[in-house]
Amino acid sequence: DTEVTQTPKHLVMGMTNKKSLKCEQHMGHRAMYWYKQKAKKPPELMFVYSYEKLSINESVPSRFSPECPNSSLLNLHLHALQPEDSALYLCASSLSISGIQETQYFGPGTRLLVL
Amino acid sequence: AQTVTQSQPEMSVQEAETVTLSCTYDTSESDYYLFWYKQPPSRQMILVIRQEAYKQQNATENRFSVNFQKAAKSFSLKISDSQLGDAAMYFCAYRSAQGGSEKLVFGKGTKLTVNP
Repeated sequence: DTEVTQTPKHLVMGMTNKKSLKCEQHMGHRAMYWYKQKAKKPPELMFVYSYEKLSINESVPSRFSPECPNSSLLNLHLHALQPEDSALYLCASSLSISGIQETQYFGPGTRLLVL
Repeated sequence: AQTVTQSQPEMSVQEAETVTLSCTYDTSESDYYLFWYKQPPSRQMILVIRQEAYKQQNATENRFSVNFQKAAKSFSLKISDSQLGDAAMYFCAYRSAQGGSEKLVFGKGTKLTVNP
């Protein structure tokens, strides 16, 4: 089973709101990723967690705050977003971050609209 | 830095026919991994096939196969007996085998239309 789940599927928020995106996997994967995808573009990496520690932060603005409470869960906390942050946010996981076991499996995404 | 190029923004194929999607990449590394992902309108990125650069044999997964030409840095995807459900955006991706290189480098994608 290569299932990664994400909630919510859709989110509309104002620029002053605080919201969170949630990602969950029960495949025993130890690496989890957040991507941002604009329409008709490839995904762009935001963050990587490996063994629950932040491994990569691709110079993402501080209004995006990731959190990895345990090896199965990954959250993305959103605060004071801008309309240009509207996008599809994809979560992915992999068994590890080295070797072919790094193959990433993606969730269905959260479609975010910032008004 | 590595780059991935998909030179065909859009492709179309008749149902039951075969189509080949192109992907080239640029790297100075000798060990790496290559992937094809499919993203249908439902938007979930689905792994189609993967290839380890050290393997000379081309990967196959049912109707999907790749033509991996390491010297030419080419990694094309062939879809045989195309089905309506194959319609999607296809992304080619590269990942270094070096430790600490977790980043997937994606191409810009090829939109595949399957005509009945």
